[in-house]
Amino acid sequence: GNSVTQMEGPVTLSEEAFLTINCTYTATGYPSLFWYVQYPGEGLQLLLKATKADDKGSNKGFEATYRKETTSFHLEKGSVQVSDSAVYFCALKRTGGSYIPTFGRGTSLIVHP
Amino acid sequence: EPEVTQTPSHQVTQMGQEVILRCVPISNHLYFYWYRQILGQKVEFLVSFYNNEISEKSEIFDDQFSVERPDGSNFTLKIRSTKLEDSAMYFCASSSPGDRGNEAFFGQGTRLTVV
Repeated sequence: GNSVTQMEGPVTLSEEAFLTINCTYTATGYPSLFWYVQYPGEGLQLLLKATKADDKGSNKGFEATYRKETTSFHLEKGSVQVSDSAVYFCALKRTGGSYIPTFGRGTSLIVHP
Repeated sequence: EPEVTQTPSHQVTQMGQEVILRCVPISNHLYFYWYRQILGQKVEFLVSFYNNEISEKSEIFDDQFSVERPDGSNFTLKIRSTKLEDSAMYFCASSSPGDRGNEAFFGQGTRLTVV
């Protein structure tokens, strides 16, 4: 079946540090891949997406590249801010049939000033 | 920008009581979903709804759960007899048909506390 595996958190960084949150997936066919973000007390917001191999999704300084050969979609940001503190969820959406997003466990990011 | 809205934001209920969680999806979307997130755990799929019927459901979505689209705008999740373990954040989401890149838009969630 389809699944998403994320690195365990929390990830604790100082402001302006480089961020990587690893995500790998298992899926049949060619899923679309997403990163969602959940700020404290809020719902899930789409951060970025990629729909095919080698696509790079980017938004707000974050980026992730769809790597089919390694079945990965790692999230990166060159310089994190305190306001980036949130929980980040990697997700996939399979092709064919219904379009049900499958989420990873989420990775908590804490950024200190 | 269109958004998914959920009410109430927080619901406290006694064990064994029925609760109805309400959602207004984005108006031109056709696929609707409910997910839940137990505190500190992953976001779990409950059910998807399309063309006025359940299209898929997870093993979590047992006979205690039901969904309904009573009119053209609302999408509800009913839990008939709540248990302590139903305490979670419940998210409604919707998406439009079309290519596989169409993401699901999520509401702010309803925090359900069963006491």
